[in-house]
Amino acid sequence: RKEVEQDPGPFNVPEGATVAFNCTYSNSASQSFFWYRQDCRKEPKLLMSVYSSGNEDGRFTAQLNRASQYISLLIRDSKLSDSATYLCVVNSGLHAALFNKFYFGSGTKLNVKP
Amino acid sequence: EPEVTQTPSHQVTQMGQEVILRCVPISNHLYFYWYRQILGQKVEFLVSFYNNEISEKSEIFDDQFSVERPDGSNFTLKIRSTKLEDSAMYFCASSEASRNTEAFFGQGTRLTVV
Repeated sequence: RKEVEQDPGPFNVPEGATVAFNCTYSNSASQSFFWYRQDCRKEPKLLMSVYSSGNEDGRFTAQLNRASQYISLLIRDSKLSDSATYLCVVNSGLHAALFNKFYFGSGTKLNVKP
Repeated sequence: EPEVTQTPSHQVTQMGQEVILRCVPISNHLYFYWYRQILGQKVEFLVSFYNNEISEKSEIFDDQFSVERPDGSNFTLKIRSTKLEDSAMYFCASSEASRNTEAFFGQGTRLTVV
């Protein structure tokens, strides 16, 4: 079973739409969770961390459900510049107290069209 | 804003040759990583490094790979005898502490083995 699973998409949405991405992870001992954004042939860039209480940053809302081992990202009022691949990343270090190991989902591609 | 820097941005090498990919992590970070991404595929963990030693490595990171922190600033990945299938984007990353902290990625080195 994959450590982190995501729907690869692509999601093709018009500008202004609301779009939601989901992600599941297999290791219940995972410590921390993130959404990264990756533009074509570029490095992953942190979009936001995901907290148990849920968190919002402008048009972006992330939620974590530890019981279901499920993470989500909601983008409201999509912009053309939101077009990218969104990577779900889970930190499941072998020795969680000390070391990090970030597992990446395969990414969900978003195309926002005019 | 501090960032992870990698050199070179693109390296072309002949099969069987040794390559060294270089990274300068963010200066106050303690954990360092190498990831790779084959074109069109997901970001894959290679190795994590802490306190001058490897803390964890994946099955991809075989005897052909090694990492080193030769001085206080550089972090290198060496591939001893490159194979065609080593062609990929190699990302260096660093993070500040063990728990609940994000990793920051360099812009990557595109390795092409011919």
